[in-house]
This record gives sequence, structure tokens and C-alpha cells, in this order.
Amino acid sequence: GQSLEQPSEVTAVEGAIVQMNCTYQTSGFYGLSWYQQHDGGAPTFLSYNALDGLEETGRFSSFLSRSDSYGYLLLQELQMKDSASYFCAVSPNRDDKIIFGKGTRLHILP
Amino acid sequence: DGGITQSPKYLFRKEGQNVTLSCEQNLNHDAMYWYRQDPGQGLRLIYYSQIVNDFQKGDIAEGYSVSREKKESFPLTVTSAQKNPTAFYLCASSMGGRISTDTQYFGPGTRLTVL
Repeated sequence: GQSLEQPSEVTAVEGAIVQMNCTYQTSGFYGLSWYQQHDGGAPTFLSYNALDGLEETGRFSSFLSRSDSYGYLLLQELQMKDSASYFCAVSPNRDDKIIFGKGTRLHILP
Repeated sequence: DGGITQSPKYLFRKEGQNVTLSCEQNLNHDAMYWYRQDPGQGLRLIYYSQIVNDFQKGDIAEGYSVSREKKESFPLTVTSAQKNPTAFYLCASSMGGRISTDTQYFGPGTRLTVL
């Protein structure tokens, strides 16, 4: 079967840095995506990694290690508006749909 | 403005009734998707369509049906055969060049409550 594991909740302090992990077990691997969802809202795309290494977009960075079947999303200079759920998603193969993890709920303390 | 619309935002139905959720996009995307989200859960794929007049079952298609008669529209019917239909339903679209790597754009969702 296909599975993605994410911690259910993470708590961090405003202004700090937080890392949210994602490990996957899938029949194949073609890429790892991250989406953000605020309560009651629509998920929005954050980043995509197909190759090993770190991708940076402003305060957000995403890392992938294909040999470890592992990735993480790093948020720097946390703001209260970053309180949301963060989902990783894997593409198991080139021409198939992506699979979402259950998400990590990020709580930010002032 | 381009985007995806879902209506209504909240929907109430009696048990045993079929209900159709609308999803419209004006992004000129080929691919469209329906997901179900339950509290504390991720997104589970119900159906997806890569092109007009064609669609495939996702992981939890039982009790649901879809149609794709127009590129812009991908309505989802929740039938009485769906045992636990109360959930948050999200529609998404993507360019469709390759669904494994496309960025998906989501609508605001419809929260369905079956009484």
C-alpha cells in the first residue's frame, strides 16, 4: 500500500523556526509537494521537490531525501498567520494522481 | 479573476436523499478532482478527470458519482448509498499536462451535513 506519515501537531513560538516532517512508503516516487490549509479554507500549494536537496521560497523551504523516503517543510520567522495545517503529498509515478498525508497542525504561540 | 467556485458553502440534506455539489473553474484547466476531508484527516480522493467526458475512480468512490460534460464543470453527486456522507468536500483543478506533478488549485469547499 501507499502511506505518508506526518506528526499530527507541532507547536512553536512566534518568530522562531519550525520543521515539519514527512516520511513516505509508496510503490514509486516522482515528487513531493507541500500544501497549506487554514481552518475551514482551501489548501494552497507551497512547494514541490523532485530531486534531493533544499528548495527555498521566502520564509518557506522544503527538503527532500529520496534515499531516506523523507522530506520536511521548514518555516522561518514564524508569524501568527502561519497557524494552519500542512500537508505533504507524493506522486508515486509519472502519470498517476498524487496522494496526500493526513497533515500536521501547526500551533504558534505569541 | 480566474479561479474555482464551489457552491453552496454549507449544505444540509436529509438522510436518504441524493445531493449534487457543484464545481466550476475558469482557469482553462484540463484536470479536475474531488476530495473528501474529515476532521483531523488528510484529503482522500473520490474521483478525478483528466479530460472532458472521461473520469476515473479515486480511493473512496463508493456512493459517489460524477460527470464531466464540460471542461469548466465537474459536479459530484453524493448518493444515498454513501454510508457516512457528512464531510467537507473540496474540488480542485490542475493544468493536466501531467497530474503527478501539476500544482492543484482548490475551491473554497462545501461542508455537507446529512441529518
